[in-house]
Amino acid sequence: EAQVTQNPRYLITVTGKKLTVTCSQNMNHEYMSWYRQDPGLGLRQIYYSMNVEVTDKGDVPEGYKVSRKEKRNFPLILESPSPNQTSLYFCASKLKGAYQETQYFGPGTRLLVL
Amino acid sequence: GQSLEQPSEVTAVEGAIVQINCTYQTSGFYGLSWYQQHDGGAPTFLSYNALDGLEETGRFSSFLSRSDSYGYLLLQELQMKDSASYFCAVDGGFKTIFGAGTRLFVKA
Repeated sequence: EAQVTQNPRYLITVTGKKLTVTCSQNMNHEYMSWYRQDPGLGLRQIYYSMNVEVTDKGDVPEGYKVSRKEKRNFPLILESPSPNQTSLYFCASKLKGAYQETQYFGPGTRLLVL
Repeated sequence: GQSLEQPSEVTAVEGAIVQINCTYQTSGFYGLSWYQQHDGGAPTFLSYNALDGLEETGRFSSFLSRSDSYGYLLLQELQMKDSASYFCAVDGGFKTIFGAGTRLFVKA
């Protein structure tokens, strides 16, 4: 089954304690992204990756890091989480073609930073 | 700046047709996508328009006018299960920009 998986699904942490949210896709997509979703703001792109070892900032990259060492994995790292990073996070992978694209989302990770 | 505008809420009755509009202002544009998200769930892809015109997929259709920076999602034969949030999103090449979402309430 084609899917994007994320772990953990729920996480409560404290300010300053480094954490990593893992993301993996089994569709061999080159393109992957991380988004955060906050009430009334829709989804905002944090980082994206066009392929292995190629990443770039989205609209809200401050306080986050990513890496893309393998095609299937795209972890999101919060080196020193702060309460304003409390949010719902989605990983996604995308299949792009001529005049077409389809983006698949993971189930989401709900993060609370105290 | 870059922005997408869509209505915050729409209410319709079961069996009816509803149209959710989206206007955008972005620096790069390759296409417009639509996603559905039920409460507590992840966004799911509905459609993508890169060229002007109407794309139909079952009960859902999506329209794009690049010259007007405008698109819409049309939902026909509404069902209760269509109650959800709907997001338009601009494909800016590598970046994706989402609208704030339209909450659709379907009444019996």
